[in-house]
Amino acid sequence: AQTVTQSQPEMSVQEAETVTLSCTYDTSENNYYLFWYKQPPSRQMILVIRQEAYKQQNATENRFSVNFQKAAKSFSLKISDSQLGDTAMYFCAFDPEAGGGSEKLVFGKGTKLTVNP
Amino acid sequence: SAVISQKPSRDICQRGTSLTIQCQVDSQVTMMFWYRQQPGQSLTLIATANQGSEATYESGFVIDKFPISRPNLTFSTLTVSNMSPEDSSIYLCSVGGATETQYFGPGTRLLVL
Repeated sequence: AQTVTQSQPEMSVQEAETVTLSCTYDTSENNYYLFWYKQPPSRQMILVIRQEAYKQQNATENRFSVNFQKAAKSFSLKISDSQLGDTAMYFCAFDPEAGGGSEKLVFGKGTKLTVNP
Repeated sequence: SAVISQKPSRDICQRGTSLTIQCQVDSQVTMMFWYRQQPGQSLTLIATANQGSEATYESGFVIDKFPISRPNLTFSTLTVSNMSPEDSSIYLCSVGGATETQYFGPGTRLLVL
């Protein structure tokens, strides 16, 4: 079965510092998409960043970047210069059937990140 | 990305009743999905809402309990039928966008007493 594991249920970081959230996944597919979603206390799920498995270059989006290690099936999220507004649940997800048309997402259990002033 | 709205945003319902949740998108989309997020948990896909045909349900979810309609490419409804306290969750709809990215609605918070 395809699974996503987020081993850190909760994390905290001081404002302006850097934090890394870990995610590992299990799949036998070679081509897939990986995502990090953010869910603030207001509960709207927001896409943070995405990565295509066939791309070796790590995706970046302003203060957010990923460390994608395909062989290790690891997809960590680094948040630089953390801001109070980054406080949220962060979910790692992947689409195991890239190009298959189903677009089903498998989610991890989430990491609750708190940014302290 | 598409703008997605859901109604109601929250509701408190009595055991044994049904609630229909609406999901409206501001543009035509092919793929629409319904998820359940139980308290403190991750998201679980209930079904894929197909326009013009029956929804495709995931293991553990059945049409009698969660009937879904998809009358056009911008709208879908999910009904939670014969509710019990175990159905208390956040229900989210999402749409598939370019490059297989999904975008989510704001969710419907349901409490069943």
